[in-house]
Parts: sequence; structure tokens; C-alpha cells
Amino acid sequence: AQSVAQPEDQVNVAEGNPLTVKCTYSVSGNPYLFWYVQYPNRGLQFLLKYITGDNLVKGSYGFEAEFNKSQTSFHLKKPSALVSDSALYFCAVRDITGGYQKVTFGTGTKLQVIP
Amino acid sequence: DADVTQTPRNRITKTGKRIMLECSQTKGHDRMYWYRQDPGLGLRLIYYSFDVKDINKGEISDGYSVSRQAQAKFSLSLESAIPNQTALYFCATSDPGQLTGELFFGEGSRLTVL
Repeated sequence: AQSVAQPEDQVNVAEGNPLTVKCTYSVSGNPYLFWYVQYPNRGLQFLLKYITGDNLVKGSYGFEAEFNKSQTSFHLKKPSALVSDSALYFCAVRDITGGYQKVTFGTGTKLQVIP
Repeated sequence: DADVTQTPRNRITKTGKRIMLECSQTKGHDRMYWYRQDPGLGLRLIYYSFDVKDINKGEISDGYSVSRQAQAKFSLSLESAIPNQTALYFCATSDPGQLTGELFFGEGSRLTVL
């Protein structure tokens, strides 16, 4: 069975500093990996995805994520955090084997950017 | 206007009442989903539908039912609500033409069962 782990419930970072939100995954085949962001009282919004190719994926709002197959990780990063980046971030994995390609979400990491 | 619209956005009800959450979309996607979000548990899939005649149970379908009235409409019902169904519910869509396609979410429906 596939799974996603976000080991940190909350990450605090000072504005202007680099940020990392961690994600590790487990799937039986090749993974499709996603990051979503949820602002207060809003639905989840797609940030970026890894399908194949370059291990560094760039997405919306200056975010990027690094796929590491040997460590089964897909950490979200941003070089310089903004207060407006404060939100709940979800990592998700889609297993591409089998008929229905189930998406499994992590439990979410709350990012707090401190002015 | 939002591409995926959920109504109501907030609802407080009592144990035993029947509740319907509605979802409509203008994205033209065939695939629609209902998820439930609980703090510390992430999102869990309740039901999904790949077209009007296709309904499938997700991870946590007990106590819920769905209806796909049209390509653009997918409703979730709680026949007899109970307090542990208090949660934030999300409708989502995806494009089957994109094998790796992301999900597009509505704004959510917050349900409180007293």
C-alpha cells in the first residue's frame, strides 16, 4: 500500500530565510508526486508535481521541490520565505500501477513565516 | 466565479438529520471526488466518480452516499448524521486526459454535527 509521511506538523521560519517542508513516500511502482497548499478557509491549490525527468521541479509562487529516489523523498523548498507563504502544505503521491490511480495525501504541515 | 463550487460552505446540524452537500464544476472534467479533511489525518477519499454512470467507494464510504446527477454535479449525502462526521468536506475534479493530472478542489463545506 502506498503512503506519504510529513514528519513535521509545523515549520516556523523567519521571513527572508529559506524554507523546507519535508515529505517521504512509499509506493510499489514509480510515483507521481504532488504538493498542494491550503490557505485558511480555502480549498487545496496545486503547487507542483514530479512525473519524470529532472529531479528539481519548479512550481507556483517561487516554490520548488527536489525528488530523491534513493531516499524516497520529495521535499518542498523556497529560497526566501514570505509571510504570505504561511499556510498548510500537503504532499501527495499517485501510484500509477493498477486500474484506479489512487492519490494518497500526507497529514499536512503548517508553515508559519514570522515577520 | 470558482471552477468548483460547493454548497453550503458551513452547516450545523443535529444527530440523525439527513444532510446533502452539493458540488458543481465548470471545468468540464469527467472525474469528480469527495474528500474529508480532519486535523492530523490529512484528506481521505469518500467516493469518486469517473463519469455519470460510474460511482465508486473510497477509503471511508460507510455512512455516506453520493449521486452524480450530471457531468458537472456530484452530491454527497449523510443519511443520518452522527457527531464523528463533523469535518471539512472537499469536492475535487481531475482531467482524465491527463494521466498525471492534478486535482482541482472546491472551497470546502464545513459540517458540524451536534
